[in-house]
Amino acid sequence: KNEVEQSPQNLTAQEGEFITINCSYSVGISALHWLQQHPGGGIVSLFMLSSGKKKHGRLIATINIQEKHSSLHITASHPRDSAVYICAVRLAETSGSRLTFGEGTQLTVNP
Amino acid sequence: NAGVMQNPRHLVRRRGQEARLRCSPMKGHSHVYWYRQLPEEGLKFMVYLQKENIIDESGMPKERFSAEFPKEGPSILRIQQVVRGDSAAYFCASSPPSAFHTFGSGTRLTVV
Repeated sequence: KNEVEQSPQNLTAQEGEFITINCSYSVGISALHWLQQHPGGGIVSLFMLSSGKKKHGRLIATINIQEKHSSLHITASHPRDSAVYICAVRLAETSGSRLTFGEGTQLTVNP
Repeated sequence: NAGVMQNPRHLVRRRGQEARLRCSPMKGHSHVYWYRQLPEEGLKFMVYLQKENIIDESGMPKERFSAEFPKEGPSILRIQQVVRGDSAAYFCASSPPSAFHTFGSGTRLTVV
């Protein structure tokens, strides 16, 4: 079993829909990251969370430390949001800030 | 303030050759991480370095792979005697001690 599990694996939405991507982890962490990866492109860090909620534009990330769960929400989705969204955690017991990744959620937003 | 610079973006090597991947961290970042993404798989940690020191190499294959981050110049990931299974996207990230990663655009290595 992976230390970081994401769901769903694939998600197709219509433009304008509200989207939720979930991430569960089974180990103690010091921080959780949400990343975005476009096809053939690089990786962009969207959020780093250790508690509560963060918002940037149409993106909202929440984390519940007790339940070991985080969600990434996209409001008013747009085709340009189509990408792979990756949850990654910094394990509490590791040195430095290395990340352990989920398998990613492929999001496709249709016009 | 340039981001994390990786080069080359694409690298083709024949089996048995050496591959050298370079990563220049963001200005002010002292921590460098290398991650590998095999085709159709998720990202996996390889190695974590600070200037002139390897801090954690628990994700590095035992043979043929090495990494360095010299006092001057970029971090280098070196793969000797490449095999087809080394074909992957290799991402470098840098961070200050606060741990927010900034990723490079990656180097896509193809072994033919």
